[in-house]
Amino acid sequence: DIQMTQSPSSLSASVGDRVTITCRTSQSISNYLNWFQQRPGEAPKLLINAASSLQDGAPSRFTGGGSGTGFTLTISSLQPEDFATYYCQQSFSLPWTFGQGTKVQIK
Amino acid sequence: QVQMQESGPGLVKPSETLSLTCTVSGGSLTNYFWSWIRQPAGQGLEWIGRIYTNGNTDYNSSLKSRVSMSIDTSKNQFSLRLNSVTAADTAIYYCARTARSSLYWYFDLWGRGTLVTVSS
Repeated sequence: DIQMTQSPSSLSASVGDRVTITCRTSQSISNYLNWFQQRPGEAPKLLINAASSLQDGAPSRFTGGGSGTGFTLTISSLQPEDFATYYCQQSFSLPWTFGQGTKVQIK
Repeated sequence: QVQMQESGPGLVKPSETLSLTCTVSGGSLTNYFWSWIRQPAGQGLEWIGRIYTNGNTDYNSSLKSRVSMSIDTSKNQFSLRLNSVTAADTAIYYCARTARSSLYWYFDLWGRGTLVTVSS
């Protein structure tokens, strides 16, 4: 199975800050990487697929990048509704696996 | 607008079988895969498996010996069965539509999730 490692596990930031989350995989997955946002008490929501393709309806302040084994999710200017947990997920090979999550908290 | 809703017992006894159904409304099951994903309280996400409208399945090897999925296109439902459950199977269980664009797969629509507790 492909192992997914996110960093940091949590971070504190203020509204308006630029935030970057990193996801590393145990083997190369090209760009078969998705990002999800999960607010407390809600189901995850797809933000980005294919590493950098913004899902319809997702705000343009979210940007995904990377390929191979290293990926990033950047929020250009953090908004109050962005305080949530973010997960990366690989779709390169079965079983599909997720990172452990990065919790973005209010400073 | 397509919506998905999980249903089933919220409490299952150890060693028994967990059974959940996902009902899809506002759209058809055809031309998509459908997945089950679970999340223990305060923890990360685990993909359990997927099923296609023709009944073909793929399961996570970590659960393969205990899991089965089925689909009923006439009812717009698909189901999960997990047998011989233990406390480690206590989690929120989500159903998710699994889309494919070219070679890329992604979960683009999720149910709200249902909490299943394994306890005597």
